[in-house]
Amino acid sequence: GENVEQHPSTLSVQEGDSAVIKCTYSDSASNYFPWYKQELGKGPQLIIDIRSNVGEKKDQRIAVTLNKTAKHFSLHITETQPEDSAVYFCAASTQPYNTGNQFYFGTGTSLTVIP
Amino acid sequence: NAGVTQTPKFQVLKTGQSMTLQCAQDMNHEYMSWYRQDPGMGLRLIHYSVGAGITDQGEVPNGYNVSRSTTEDFPLRLLSAAPSQTSVYFCASSYSRSNEKLFFGSGTQLSVL
Repeated sequence: GENVEQHPSTLSVQEGDSAVIKCTYSDSASNYFPWYKQELGKGPQLIIDIRSNVGEKKDQRIAVTLNKTAKHFSLHITETQPEDSAVYFCAASTQPYNTGNQFYFGTGTSLTVIP
Repeated sequence: NAGVTQTPKFQVLKTGQSMTLQCAQDMNHEYMSWYRQDPGMGLRLIHYSVGAGITDQGEVPNGYNVSRSTTEDFPLRLLSAAPSQTSVYFCASSYSRSNEKLFFGSGTQLSVL
């Protein structure tokens, strides 16, 4: 099956700086790559996603880039704020989904934004 | 609209005890699933269901049972709890198997002593 690796496991940045989290995947059939944000004591929440026919997608201060050839995708957060502090998970999926494991998740990145 | 509701939030069990983690969604979602979250291992799929009466195993199903008698509810049963089942459990749902967006509950933190 798919194997998703995520780096770094922890990341500290000063408020206002940028943060970058990187993921690699192994299955060339994967075509959908969501990113989830998990705040303390809560469940993960989808913040942005990208499909394999797109190289970059932006939503205000967050952006995701995808390099299909190298099988890696990244989350970029600009002008970080203390409320960006959370654990971020990447995932890979083959859509349309048929059976078995729908999403393969990375191991998470704990982001701390220092005021 | 409450979304995905999980109960209890916290639970402590002794080895060998059984219990049921409850999950309910009020969004009329066809697809429901259970994940466990362990440090350094991300989210791993335990069981999933693509509709009432249909369930299947995920990546780590051993020691767990599920059933789906209604669209709304998808309980997870621990048959005989073991310390290796100490984890945070998340229920997640999506509109259908072909709709990618997963909605997660707030989780159940389980400790097995």
